[in-house]
Amino acid sequence: RKEVEQDPGPFNVPEGATVAFNCTYSNSASQSFFWYRQDCRKEPKLLMSVYSSGNEDGRFTAQLNRASQYISLLIRDSKLSDSATYLCVVGLSGGSYIPTFGRGTSLIVHP
Amino acid sequence: DTGVSQNPRHKITKRGQNVTFRCDPISEHNRLYWYRQTLGQGPEFLTYFQNEAQLEKSRLLSDRFSAERPKGSFSTLEIQRTEQGDSAMYLCASSLANLNTEAFFGQGTRLTVV
Repeated sequence: RKEVEQDPGPFNVPEGATVAFNCTYSNSASQSFFWYRQDCRKEPKLLMSVYSSGNEDGRFTAQLNRASQYISLLIRDSKLSDSATYLCVVGLSGGSYIPTFGRGTSLIVHP
Repeated sequence: DTGVSQNPRHKITKRGQNVTFRCDPISEHNRLYWYRQTLGQGPEFLTYFQNEAQLEKSRLLSDRFSAERPKGSFSTLEIQRTEQGDSAMYLCASSLANLNTEAFFGQGTRLTVV
């Protein structure tokens, strides 16, 4: 079982749709969680951190469920510019801290 | 530009040759990571440094791969006797040594082994 698992998609949605991605992680000791965005042939860039209480940034909402060991990302009112790969990142604390990536979920927003 | 810088951006090499990549992290960042990414996959961890100490290496890092960060600033990743399976994007990231801090990525070095 991989440490961080994501559905690769692609998720193909019309502009204005709401879309949600989940990501599961295997290590219950994981302490930090992030969503990164990666555009084609570019480097990953932080989209948002994921806190225990959940957090919202404009059209984007991230949630953490420690009991079930998953994090989610909700995108409301999708824009064409949201088309990208969304990478789930999980990190351990204590000892070696290594941000571990899922394979990414591809989102395509069409007119 | 105060971001993470990687050189070269692209490298084409013949099988069996050695290659070396360089990463200059954000100056105040004491953690530096190397990842490898192939098409359709997320970045896979290779190794990481805290200051000049190499603290962990992935099983993916065969003995043909070596990384250094001699003065705790820039880092190099060398691949000896390259194989076609080494073709990938090699990404460097840096961060502060605090929990919940984001890692900032460089633009990567795309390696093609022919």
